[in-house]
Amino acid sequence: DVKVTQSSRYLVKRTGEKVFLECVQDMDHENMFWYRQDPGLGLRLIYFSYDVKMKEKGDIPEGYSVSREKKERFSLILESASTNQTSMYLCASSLQHGGETQYFGPGTRLLVL
Amino acid sequence: QKEVEQNSGPLSVPEGAIASLNCTYSDRGSQSFFWYRQYSGKSPELIMSIYSNGDKEDGRFTAQLNKASQYVSLLIRDSQPSDSATYLCAVNYESSGDKLTFGTGTRLAVRP
Repeated sequence: DVKVTQSSRYLVKRTGEKVFLECVQDMDHENMFWYRQDPGLGLRLIYFSYDVKMKEKGDIPEGYSVSREKKERFSLILESASTNQTSMYLCASSLQHGGETQYFGPGTRLLVL
Repeated sequence: QKEVEQNSGPLSVPEGAIASLNCTYSDRGSQSFFWYRQYSGKSPELIMSIYSNGDKEDGRFTAQLNKASQYVSLLIRDSQPSDSATYLCAVNYESSGDKLTFGTGTRLAVRP
């Protein structure tokens, strides 16, 4: 079974703090993704990585950065958290064969005060 | 803009009935189609994937794909209260590489 884990289920941070969200997958998947999910807006792609040190901006990259130093690990960084970044953050991974199934981690619910 | 459209619902069905969930997409150059189930407060989990026209059955679930009409549907037979969740449709557009485009989901409520 594919396993995708995320470092925290719930996180509370203050405005202006630097926030790190970490995702680890154990299936040797090439692709990893970070989404945020908000009511009525669905899943929106923040960043995508297709290989170590390789990344591609998604639909809403502003205010976020990412790091992929190892194949199994993909980090999302909020350089200076703002209240409009309060959301559910979901990590996913997939094989790299064009349109493969994405497997999701449990999600991190982030509250920025 | 490549889109995936779903009726947000809620779709309410009695226990034991067939629930029919629909999804339309905007680009004929689409290759892979997925249905995910998401319980409140949880992450999406894959129910089914479908790649070619026609029906694909897995237990109580049947996915139907019609590429000419650009729609994909999910039928849930003998609906159970435990099926109450939001169902997300996702499409891999050919021009998007390995990325998926998700619909906003249909909320299904199964009444005991």
